[in-house]
Amino acid sequence: KNQVEQSPQSLIILEGKNCTLQCNYTVSPFSNLRWYKQDTGRGPVSLTIMTFSENTKSNGRYTATLDADTKQSSLHITASQLSDSASYICVVSVRGSTLGRLYFGRGTQLTVWP
Amino acid sequence: GAGVSQSPSNKVTEKGKDVELRCDPISGHTALYWYRQRLGQGLEFLIYFQGNSAPDKSGLPSDRFSAERTGESVSTLTIQRTQQEDSAVYLCASSSSGFSGANVLTFGAGSRLTVL
Repeated sequence: KNQVEQSPQSLIILEGKNCTLQCNYTVSPFSNLRWYKQDTGRGPVSLTIMTFSENTKSNGRYTATLDADTKQSSLHITASQLSDSASYICVVSVRGSTLGRLYFGRGTQLTVWP
Repeated sequence: GAGVSQSPSNKVTEKGKDVELRCDPISGHTALYWYRQRLGQGLEFLIYFQGNSAPDKSGLPSDRFSAERTGESVSTLTIQRTQQEDSAVYLCASSSSGFSGANVLTFGAGSRLTVL
């Protein structure tokens, strides 16, 4: 069964600290994995995309890693800011499928306190 | 438009009533998707439109749900005889292509439906 599991479910950190969010998936055949950021009351916005051959990719203070062998990804946020407070969603797509067949994790709710 | 527009942003209705939710995708985007997001849950795929092809309706939870899209323009999601379990945020997204390559979904802000 194709599934995407994220941990932790929620996380509270102090401004300026780093954190790492985890995503484990069983989706097969794997095409790519995206991390989305969803602010409260808004739609998700793509942060980064990881394909099978990529191990790490950075987007500003966000760094995503992918281990296709263990089917794990992480999103590392450096020097957190209050604006990082949001839900971070891991999304995996199946090779050859339409975008309608994306598999979404439930998200990690990150709260950054001043 | 510059982004995906959805309306209404909030809708409160009584159980048993019909509701219509509207999505205006990014101009030129051939693919349009509807997702449902219940509180604390992940996004659930509902339906996918790609150009003039027959839509993929495999995610619709019951025959009370239907959606239409004319060409590559506006789409409406209709929920008939609403139930309390239909309460959720309904998200629309569009993409320039329907294949899971490097294309990115652009989401609207969603329509929050509350069924009393």
